[in-house]
Amino acid sequence: DGGITQSPKYLFRKEGQNVTLSCEQNLNHDAMYWYRQDPGQGLRLIYYSQIVNDFQKGDIAEGYSVSREKKESFPLTVTSAQKNPTAFYLCASSILGLAGGPDEQFFGPGTRLTVL
Amino acid sequence: QKEVEQNSGPLSVPEGAIASLNCTYSDRGSQSFFWYRQYSGKSPELIMFIYSNGDKEDGRFTAQLNKASQYVSLLIRDSQPSDSATYLCAVNKFYFGSGTKLNVKP
Repeated sequence: DGGITQSPKYLFRKEGQNVTLSCEQNLNHDAMYWYRQDPGQGLRLIYYSQIVNDFQKGDIAEGYSVSREKKESFPLTVTSAQKNPTAFYLCASSILGLAGGPDEQFFGPGTRLTVL
Repeated sequence: QKEVEQNSGPLSVPEGAIASLNCTYSDRGSQSFFWYRQYSGKSPELIMFIYSNGDKEDGRFTAQLNKASQYVSLLIRDSQPSDSATYLCAVNKFYFGSGTKLNVKP
């Protein structure tokens, strides 16, 4: 069964804590992405990676960090520097990573993060 | 800042009618355009993509692109209650509008 998995589904964080969201794909896609969605809003790009050991900042990277040590995995760490982290976080992957590219993104089920 | 604008709705149509969803974008050099459907609390799923000016049809769905007017639309024919969702327009893969909520009334 090919697809993208994200864990956990729900995550609660105390202020001042760092938390890491997991994203794994077995689609053999080169590119992976992290988005944030706030209620009633569209998706905003946090980070993306086109190849292993390389990643680029999106529009709202401040307070977040990522790594891409394996093709299949792209974890996102929400640091204490992110002042308003409560949101729905979506991971996606695609065959290519070009901004204007024709390849569609496949999304994971998402992680809902709440700061207590 | 690359902007993608959508009317937030809700857009209400009766079952069987045509639903028309619109999206405008600011970057004239944009090359690829995607329509996603998102049910409440779920992740987006791709409906259609379009790259060339004109119409592209897939079943009950038609995407229309006009690069000169920087406008892309999605038509849903024979709308069904199961089409009730938020429809997201994405430009150049990364840039998403805030979505239009569609309600199809039985």
